[in-house]
Amino acid sequence: EVRLEQSGAEVKKPGESLKISCKGSGFSFTTYWIAWVRHMPGKGLEWMGMIYPSDSETTYSQTFQGQVTISADKSSTTAYLRWNSLKASDTAIYYCARGWVRAGPYDYWGQGTLVTVSS
Amino acid sequence: QSVLTQPPSASGTPGQRVTISCSGGNSNFGTYTVNWYQQLPGTAPKLLIYNNDQRPSGVPDRFSGAKSGTSASLAISGLQSDDEAEYYCGAWDDSLNGYYVFGTGTKVTVL
Repeated sequence: EVRLEQSGAEVKKPGESLKISCKGSGFSFTTYWIAWVRHMPGKGLEWMGMIYPSDSETTYSQTFQGQVTISADKSSTTAYLRWNSLKASDTAIYYCARGWVRAGPYDYWGQGTLVTVSS
Repeated sequence: QSVLTQPPSASGTPGQRVTISCSGGNSNFGTYTVNWYQQLPGTAPKLLIYNNDQRPSGVPDRFSGAKSGTSASLAISGLQSDDEAEYYCGAWDDSLNGYYVFGTGTKVTVL
């Protein structure tokens, strides 16, 4: 069974760092793209970027370039999304999703990680 | 602001057919196929249609997709209360070094 299991909800203060995870199982982790998608309260889905775990090739949306870092560990079949300095506007649910080709689509999704940034 | 434009809402009574449009451009729909996702309240998105008109295993044939030029549509026939959800189109876009873009989203309400 294909699964993308995400880490639990986080509550952070502005300026703090954070790394959330997405563990893949039930498929060959290194032959799929893993994307991250933001869903802010009351807003639509936003594609942030993606990684190909086989060689760690990454592509970022210009909106998120320099704001977050996407990485992956092949040995633990886990992808990560990291912030160095959170802002209140980063409050959202973050989903990871699997794509079988570079251009998508995304056929399996994680359950989402709620990140709340508040002073 | 997404480059894929959808109507904010659509509605119908049980059993009716509802159609959702998605308008794109040459850098996305003009080159790449369209995908559709369903997001039920409080859950992760689910792939509903890929490659313009293909249904993943398990998706009922009540859902159908089409693309013509730089526009696409999703049709839901035999509308059911379970279909009440947010629907997003999506596609790769070649501009700005390439990225995936989701539509603005359409909330479908079953009256």
